[in-house]
This record gives sequence, C-alpha cells and structure tokens, in this order.
Amino acid sequence: EAGVTQFPSHSVIEKGQTVTLRCDPISGHDNLYWYRRVMGKEIKFLLHFVKESKQDESGMPNNRFLAERTGGTYSTLKVQPAELEDSGVYFCASSQVRYRLAETTTTQYFGPGTRLTVL
Amino acid sequence: AQSVTQPDIHITVSEGASLELRCNYSYGATPYLFWYVQSPGQGLQLLLKYFSGDTLVQGIKGFEAEFKRSQSSFNLRKPSVHWSDAAEYFCAVSTGGYQKVTFGTGTKLQVIP
Repeated sequence: EAGVTQFPSHSVIEKGQTVTLRCDPISGHDNLYWYRRVMGKEIKFLLHFVKESKQDESGMPNNRFLAERTGGTYSTLKVQPAELEDSGVYFCASSQVRYRLAETTTTQYFGPGTRLTVL
Repeated sequence: AQSVTQPDIHITVSEGASLELRCNYSYGATPYLFWYVQSPGQGLQLLLKYFSGDTLVQGIKGFEAEFKRSQSSFNLRKPSVHWSDAAEYFCAVSTGGYQKVTFGTGTKLQVIP
C-alpha cells in the first residue's frame, strides 16, 4: 500500500511568487491534514479536511494560504504571494474514518514533506 | 488545549548504549500519545502509539515507551542504540478521533561510534 505522497519535495521561490504544494493521501483515507514546521520550531497544525470539506482551518496563518481538496482525493495548498516567513517544511497526513474504532481514526500517517524556501 | 514538552533538544549517545528520550504532555483527560521519527531526508514515521490498556507499548525498530499518568510523561526508550537510529524524534498528543496532533519541538539524536 502506497503511503502519503507529496510534491514537490523541494521548492525555492522568490518573495511575492506563488507556490502550490500537492498531497496525495493513502487510498481510502477521508481525513487529510496539513502541518508546517518553521525553522526548527515545533510542527504545527494548519488545517483538516474530511473528504472535500474543511473541518478545521484554525491553524491557517493568514489569507495568503488557500487549501483545496476537490473530489475528496488529493489536496493542494497554495501560498500567494509567498513571504520570507513562509519558509519551512510542509507536511501532509491522512487517516481513515472509522467511527467505532478511535485508534484507526486517530492515527495519522505523514508524508515526506515539502521543503519550501522563500528568498 | 493540549501541549507537549520535549526538554532535550539534542542528545548524543554511543552506539550500543541505552537511550531514553523524555516527553511530558499537558491534557486534562486521557490523551492519545505518539512518537514519530524523522530520519535525514525522510518523512515522519510512526514509531509507536498509546491509546489505552498496557502502559508499556512496543513499537518498531526495538523502541518502547511507557505512559505514566501520575507524571504526565511518555518517555521513549531503546536498550541498545544503532547508528541508524540517528534522527529527530517527536513526541505528540491528540485528543482522539480526527482531532489534530500537537507536537513537541523534537529531540535530535546523534549516535557516535
């Protein structure tokens, strides 16, 4: 079974440009999450999709970030325009939805991350 | 809100020595606890998790962790470290269900010959 995949693995852009990150969750996983780690700090939650619906976007830093999950499969995270402080590693995670099995729903599997550098 | 503290930013151990990485959490109810590892150039890999039951949990790669409610701790241990264990280790907590995971700041492990 394929794990969570993310593309690209690295992206270097200039301040003011636009970047789109993509995440493909594990097949069958309706929960999809985005997290970010900025310069050696802790990994922080950005938002959560259940299928194509945004369940929780409390961690999104500002309106320069736009996440979508059309069709409930893969997700994209667009940063427009990018700022220097957006540099970091963006992780995607997914989990199944099993209403009677908390362990299955709660266990999130992470992708390799996308390292974003804004110059 | 829940939080996680990993007091050790960097730890160096000799190959073959034992290892213990500390983790303390803050959460009012019974938490769901995890340890993840990120090897150089790799993503986050789940080492082990605690949901309920036996407070000593076994994970992959010979790791184990013990949940101690009285100390709000979930320390990670390995009896004999291998050079391939050099990585960054993250303790994390969730309130369950599909809720977000809250991470500690991570502990970088260096293994010397």
